[in-house]
Amino acid sequence: DGGITQSPKYLFRKEGQNVTLSCEQNLNHDAMYWYRQDPGQGLRLIYYSQIVNDFQKGDIAEGYSVSREKKESFPLTVTSAQKNPTAFYLCASSIRTGGDPIYTFGSGTRLTVV
Amino acid sequence: ILNVEQSPQSLHVQEGDSTNFTCSFPSSNFYALHWYRWETAKSPEALFVMTLNGDEKKKGRISATLNTKEGYSYLYIKGSQPEDSATYLCAPILTGGGNKLTFGTGTQLKVEL
Repeated sequence: DGGITQSPKYLFRKEGQNVTLSCEQNLNHDAMYWYRQDPGQGLRLIYYSQIVNDFQKGDIAEGYSVSREKKESFPLTVTSAQKNPTAFYLCASSIRTGGDPIYTFGSGTRLTVV
Repeated sequence: ILNVEQSPQSLHVQEGDSTNFTCSFPSSNFYALHWYRWETAKSPEALFVMTLNGDEKKKGRISATLNTKEGYSYLYIKGSQPEDSATYLCAPILTGGGNKLTFGTGTQLKVEL
C-alpha cells in the first residue's frame, strides 16, 4: 500500500543535540512538507519541497534544516539552534494531477527534548 | 503568515446532536479550501476540497459550504456519533502560494453517549 512513513513515532533527545526525523513516501508525489504542532496551535509549516534538490522555508524554518536528495525522502533535522524543539512533527506529500492537489499525511513523530 | 481562524476551539455534544464549525480565512488570492478530519494517533483524513464560491459538498452526515467573497467555510455534522470525535482542520490554499496548506488551529469535537 502506498503511503507516508514517519519514524520513529516517539523520539527523545538531550538538549543541545541535533536530531533527524525521517519521512519516506512511496506515492510518487512531487512535493513534500514538514509541519509542527504545539498544544493549542494549528499545524505550522517548517519547510517544503516541490521537486528533488529544491526546498523552501516555511513560516517557522529557524533552527531546522532539510534535504531532498531523493523524491521519496524528505528528512528534517532539528538543530540545537531550535529554541523549543519539543513538539509534534507531521510530514505530508502532494501531487497535482490536473485538478486540485491531493495531499497525504504521515502519522507524525512526537519529539521530546530533555 | 496567512491568518486562518477556526471556531469554536472545542465542542462537546451529545450523540444525535447536529453541530457546525466555522473556518475564516483571507478572501484575497483564494484558490481552494481543504477540510480534514484528524483522529488522535492517526493521519489527517481528507474530507473536502472546495474551490468555488457557493460550493456545497456532502459526505455522509458531514457537509460543508464555502463563501470565498467573505472568506469563510462552515462544516456541518448531522446526528453526531461517537466515531465523529476528532479534530477538524481547515486549510486554505492561495494562488501563487505553491500549493502550501496553511492550517487553522482546528475544532476539537467530542461526541458523548
